Amino acid sequence: GAVVSQHPSRVICKSGTSVKIECRSLDFQATTMFWYRQFPKQSLMLMATSNEGSKATYEQGVEKDKFLINHASLTLSTLTVTSAHPEDSSFYICSARSPPGTTYEQYFGPGTRLTVT
Amino acid sequence: GQNIDQPTEMTATEGAIVQINCTYQTSGFNGLFWYQQHAGEAPTFLSYNVLDGLEEKGRFSSFLSRSKGYSYLLLKELQMKDSASYLCAGLYSGAGSYQLTFGKGTKLSVIP
Repeated sequence: GAVVSQHPSRVICKSGTSVKIECRSLDFQATTMFWYRQFPKQSLMLMATSNEGSKATYEQGVEKDKFLINHASLTLSTLTVTSAHPEDSSFYICSARSPPGTTYEQYFGPGTRLTVT
Repeated sequence: GQNIDQPTEMTATEGAIVQINCTYQTSGFNGLFWYQQHAGEAPTFLSYNVLDGLEEKGRFSSFLSRSKGYSYLLLKELQMKDSASYLCAGLYSGAGSYQLTFGKGTKLSVIP
């Protein structure tokens, strides 16, 4: 089955610093990747849709200047949380859509637990 | 938006059967996913229904009724390891793209 990796799995940073999270599709090419955020006991909330070679599409209420997304290749998308604040502490999960012509299934990475102190 | 509604919590006994219901808005709907998520982990795929009817996969089955905007996940022969959150997610099309909209999840507790 398709595998998506995410790095790092956990990160603790100080308020005001930036953090980069990487999402890779290991055995398939993903033209579309998604970034989600999940707060405790809440559902996954879509932050943005990342398309290879073009600008990401952000959901309403998500600051694109704060959450920078780059999808430079068919196997890698990155999310950079700039000037992080404690309220940005959350579980960030990426997913990659299965190749065109298949089931539109999304394969999720293992998630990144971000703690901003 | 595409409201996805499912119960917040359920409790069932080991060895029993449990049904988790999900209702969704039908406008722009293309298919229904069920995911399992253990605490602190990413969701894992369980099932995908596009057509009406029941899809069986081992101990887990998923049902879809497109006309009623209704789905359920059926778990048989419950095991302790089945304690997790179960997420219902609708695949919706719009503006030339497809997106998954997740429900808030049903936390299932399996007790001895």
